[in-house]
Amino acid sequence: AQSVTQLGSHVSVSEGALVLLRCNYSSSVPPYLFWYVQYPNQGLQLLLKYTTGATLVKGINGFEAEFKKSETSFHLTKPSAHMSDAAEYFCAVKAHTGKLIFGQGTTLQVKP
Amino acid sequence: NAGVTQTPKFQVLKTGQSMTLQCAQDMNHNSMYWYRQDPGMGLRLIYYSASEGTTDKGEVPNGYNVSRLNKREFSLRLESAAPSQTSVYFCASSGVNGHLWGLLNTEAFFGQGTRLTVV
Repeated sequence: AQSVTQLGSHVSVSEGALVLLRCNYSSSVPPYLFWYVQYPNQGLQLLLKYTTGATLVKGINGFEAEFKKSETSFHLTKPSAHMSDAAEYFCAVKAHTGKLIFGQGTTLQVKP
Repeated sequence: NAGVTQTPKFQVLKTGQSMTLQCAQDMNHNSMYWYRQDPGMGLRLIYYSASEGTTDKGEVPNGYNVSRLNKREFSLRLESAAPSQTSVYFCASSGVNGHLWGLLNTEAFFGQGTRLTVV
C-alpha cells in the first residue's frame, strides 16, 4: 500500500533562509506525488505535483520539489523563505486506485 | 465557479446524535473524497468514491457512512456521533472534466472544511 512519511512535524527557519521540508514515500508502482499547503482556518491548496517526466517540479510561490526514485523521496524546497510562507505543508501520494493518502504534515514557522 | 462546497461550516452535536455533512462540486470530476484532520495526524481518508455509484473505505471508516448521490454530490453521515469524531472534515474532488483517465495524475481540490464538535 502506498504511504508517505514527512520527517519533522515542525520546521523553523529565518526569513530569507532556505526552506527544506522532507517527504519519503512508499509505493510498489510509479508514484504520483503532491505537495499541498494549508493556511490557518483554510482548505488545502496545491503547491506542485509529480506525475511523469521531469523529476524537478516547479510550483507556485517559488517552491520546487525533486523526485528521487533511488531515495524514494520528494522533498520540498524554497531558496528564500518569506513570512507569508508560514503554514502547514502536506505531502501526498496517489494510490493506483485513485485514493489520495497524506502524510502527517509539517508546520513551517518563519522567524523575522 | 464555486469549486467544492461543504455545508455546514460549523456544527456542535451531542453524543449519540446523527448528522450528514454535505459536499458538492461543480467541476464535473469523477472522484470525490472525505477526510478528517486532527492535530498531529495529518489528513486521514475516511471514504473515497472513484466515480458515481462507487464508494470505498479509506484509512478510518468506522463510525461513518457515505452516499454518492450523483456525480456532483458526496455526503458523509455520522449515525451516532462520539466525542472521538470531533474533528475538521474536508471534502475534495479530483479528475479532468469527466474523463476517467485523469484518475491518477490530477490533483484534488478541497472545500473549506466543516468543524465538528461532539460533546
